[in-house]
Amino acid sequence: NAGVMQNPRHLVRRRGQEARLRCSPMKGHSHVYWYRQLPEEGLKFMVYLQKENIIDESGMPKERFSAEFPKEGPSILRIQQVVRGDSAAYFCASSPGQGAGEQYFGPGTRLTVT
Amino acid sequence: QKEVEQDPGPLSVPEGAIVSLNCTYSNSAFQYFMWYRQYSRKGPELLMYTYSSGNKEDGRFTAQVDKSSKYISLFIRDSQPSDSATYLCAMRSGTYKYIFGTGTRLKVLA
Repeated sequence: NAGVMQNPRHLVRRRGQEARLRCSPMKGHSHVYWYRQLPEEGLKFMVYLQKENIIDESGMPKERFSAEFPKEGPSILRIQQVVRGDSAAYFCASSPGQGAGEQYFGPGTRLTVT
Repeated sequence: QKEVEQDPGPLSVPEGAIVSLNCTYSNSAFQYFMWYRQYSRKGPELLMYTYSSGNKEDGRFTAQVDKSSKYISLFIRDSQPSDSATYLCAMRSGTYKYIFGTGTRLKVLA
């Protein structure tokens, strides 16, 4: 019973490089959320996706950040031209459908920008 | 004012104590309430999920929702050192958007 999977678990990028974070939802789940967490802070919503659709990206900066959830394969959160302020833990969560209560989280990707 | 308020702690208790963790909220449209446990450098783990008002019990954990006061609680009985973690409350209305508290750090002392 595989849970939500994320990779890589740790990612180090230099300023200006691209970061690509992957999330595979739980089996049977077709809805994916991405969150960002800074030390001592709560989870901040970034984007909500269904297969092949972005439903709500209101929490994601308009520049440099993008997300997708293709028909086949994992959901991808892409950060272009990373800056030091992008250093954080990025968590993916999945749920079986809109209106379904529970969200299950992956282990997160810790991005460090040097 | 934040939609969800949670005391950050830290909260230190002796092993075996009953722990009470709380969140208040301002949006009366919230209907679904969750508690997550997050160990250091790990992902949040869903502990309890409740709909609307009332109590729900699961082993040593009890979740309470008081919608009239806009207040939710998580009780941990017979606390163990392994319960030491950050506890996050989360809630949502009928839509898909979850709002999280900032978390309360709990330390259970052996």
